[in-house]
Amino acid sequence: KNEVEQSPQNLTAQEGEFITINCSYSVGISALHWLQQHPGGGIVSLFMLSSGKKKHGRLIATINIQEKHSSLHITASHPRDSAVYICAVGGSNYKLTFGKGTLLTVNP
Amino acid sequence: NAGVTQTPKFQVLKTGQSMTLQCAQDMNHEYMSWYRQDPGMGLRLIHYSVGAGITDQGEVPNGYNVSRSTTEDFPLRLLSAAPSQTSVYFCASSYSGHVATNEKLFFGSGTQLSVL
Repeated sequence: KNEVEQSPQNLTAQEGEFITINCSYSVGISALHWLQQHPGGGIVSLFMLSSGKKKHGRLIATINIQEKHSSLHITASHPRDSAVYICAVGGSNYKLTFGKGTLLTVNP
Repeated sequence: NAGVTQTPKFQVLKTGQSMTLQCAQDMNHEYMSWYRQDPGMGLRLIHYSVGAGITDQGEVPNGYNVSRSTTEDFPLRLLSAAPSQTSVYFCASSYSGHVATNEKLFFGSGTQLSVL
């Protein structure tokens, strides 16, 4: 089974700061997911990537397949970015292994 | 499109009671799944389905029952609730289930279940 580790577990930032959340996994994969969960809310898929980099607004996700590592960056952070960010990787088909999540708090 | 709809949003049960968590999607997705989310742990797969009439177990299936009679609906049944089933439950769907390679998952808004 793939082991998924996220760091840091908790992150507090000031509005405007550049933020990086990391995800490492133990077994080679075909794709990695980044998800966002607001407090008391549902879960939204941000990115799915299998190589290189993807960008959506102020969010950038990168993956290094050889190093088994992915990062999620948030530029010019805003209090509305406060959420739990979850990394997930595929095991066998139909199944994902999820990280425990990173709780991000952005203060105004 | 409503996406993935879960009901109820909150539920309190007594030990031994039964209940059904409802999940419906209107995206014509073949793959539907149930997860539970517990503090300090990642989401864990309970059961999943790759089409009407087809279900399979995930990582933590004990104490839960599912069926898939239509493409749209995938209810999760707790036959005899236990305090260990206190958790937040999420339903999720994707087009055909190839989430390990090239498909995004679409999640419902979650059900917070407490078993006393």
